[in-house]
Amino acid sequence: GAVVSQHPSWVICKSGTSVKIECRSLDFQATTMFWYRQFPKQSLMLMATSNEGSKATYEQGVEKDKFLINHASLTLSTLTVTSAHPEDSSFYICSARDMGEDPLHFGNGTRLTVT
Amino acid sequence: GNSVTQMEGPVTLSEEAFLTINCTYTATGYPSLFWYVQYPGEGLQLLLKATKADDKGSNKGFEATYRKETTSFHLEKGSVQVSDSAVYFCALSGAAGNKLTFGGGTRVLVKP
Repeated sequence: GAVVSQHPSWVICKSGTSVKIECRSLDFQATTMFWYRQFPKQSLMLMATSNEGSKATYEQGVEKDKFLINHASLTLSTLTVTSAHPEDSSFYICSARDMGEDPLHFGNGTRLTVT
Repeated sequence: GNSVTQMEGPVTLSEEAFLTINCTYTATGYPSLFWYVQYPGEGLQLLLKATKADDKGSNKGFEATYRKETTSFHLEKGSVQVSDSAVYFCALSGAAGNKLTFGGGTRVLVKP
């Protein structure tokens, strides 16, 4: 089945630094990928829709200059958390569809801790 | 807009008990419905899906039926195991290629 690989699985960084998270579709091409954020014991909050070759579409309230998304190829999207602060600590999950069809396939998530 | 409401947890059960997690939705048109499961520290895995009214999705002993008349997609399992302990998310997709709308998640804990 379709596999989405997310890397790294966890990262600890210091406040003020930037962190890049990669999301790859391993055996299919994804023109659209989605980035979610999940706080402890809560549901997933969609942050943005990443479109291959064009700008990402951000959800209301999500700072596009802080959460930079790049979808340079049909198999790779990256999320960069710039100038990270402790409140950015969270679980970030990416997802993608194979050929635009349901269902969404999810990566295993990245736990970011900002100290 | 679309929305999904599912019962709050945590739900604590003994092994071999019957599990039901209620899910209702609000959507325009004819959405596809999904149940995803999240094990501790991991991403989401698709558990089952249904794409039209009266469809029944099933997997690993779990079942859910798409009920358009009651706008529901309740998840059931007849005999749970400790390994079923996880968080379960009900979700809908308004159209192919559209983003998913998730319910709040229901944490299930199965005790031996």
